[in-house]
Amino acid sequence: GENVEQHPSTLSVQEGDSAVIKCTYSDSASNYFPWYKQELGKGPQLIIDIRSNVGEKKDQRIAVTLNKTAKHFSLHITETQPEDSAVYFCAAPPYSSASKIIFGSGTRLSIRP
Amino acid sequence: NAGVTQTPKFRVLKTGQSMTLLCAQDMNHEYMYWYRQDPGMGLRLIHYSVGEGTTAKGEVPDGYNVSRLKKQNFLLGLESAAPSQTSVYFCASIPRGVRNQPQHFGDGTRLSIL
Repeated sequence: GENVEQHPSTLSVQEGDSAVIKCTYSDSASNYFPWYKQELGKGPQLIIDIRSNVGEKKDQRIAVTLNKTAKHFSLHITETQPEDSAVYFCAAPPYSSASKIIFGSGTRLSIRP
Repeated sequence: NAGVTQTPKFRVLKTGQSMTLLCAQDMNHEYMYWYRQDPGMGLRLIHYSVGEGTTAKGEVPDGYNVSRLKKQNFLLGLESAAPSQTSVYFCASIPRGVRNQPQHFGDGTRLSIL
């Protein structure tokens, strides 16, 4: 079945620097890759997603890149700010199922002032 | 719109007690999900439903039951609570299918079993 691995589990960066979180997936037929941000005491919320027909997508300071050959996708946050501190999850749906999605184990991002 | 609402937000139970967690969504979504979140383990799927009256097992279904009698509500039941079920429970919904649209999450129910 589909497996999604996420690295690193924790990440600390200086405010203003960039942060990169990487996920690898096992099902080569997966075609949709969302990223969620979870703030303390809240549920995960979508921040950006990418479909398999594009290699990169940007939304202001956030970008996601997809390498289908290597089966990995990454979240890039530039010019980090204190409000970026949160837990980030990647996810991928196995192509064999239209009902379920597999989440990575999460990355706790801390922004140092 | 309220989106996805979970009730209660916090609960403490004793081992062996039973309880029901309620998830309600006002977006007319077909699919609904229950996850548990434990430290370092991400979100693990307990049960899910692809429509009113239908449910299916996820990755970690043991010790839980669910019901989807109304499209907008998805109930998660613990018949005999165990300390291993101490966790944060999240409900999510989606219009239909997961291949090209994100899930909408509630803010969770924090459950402690003593």
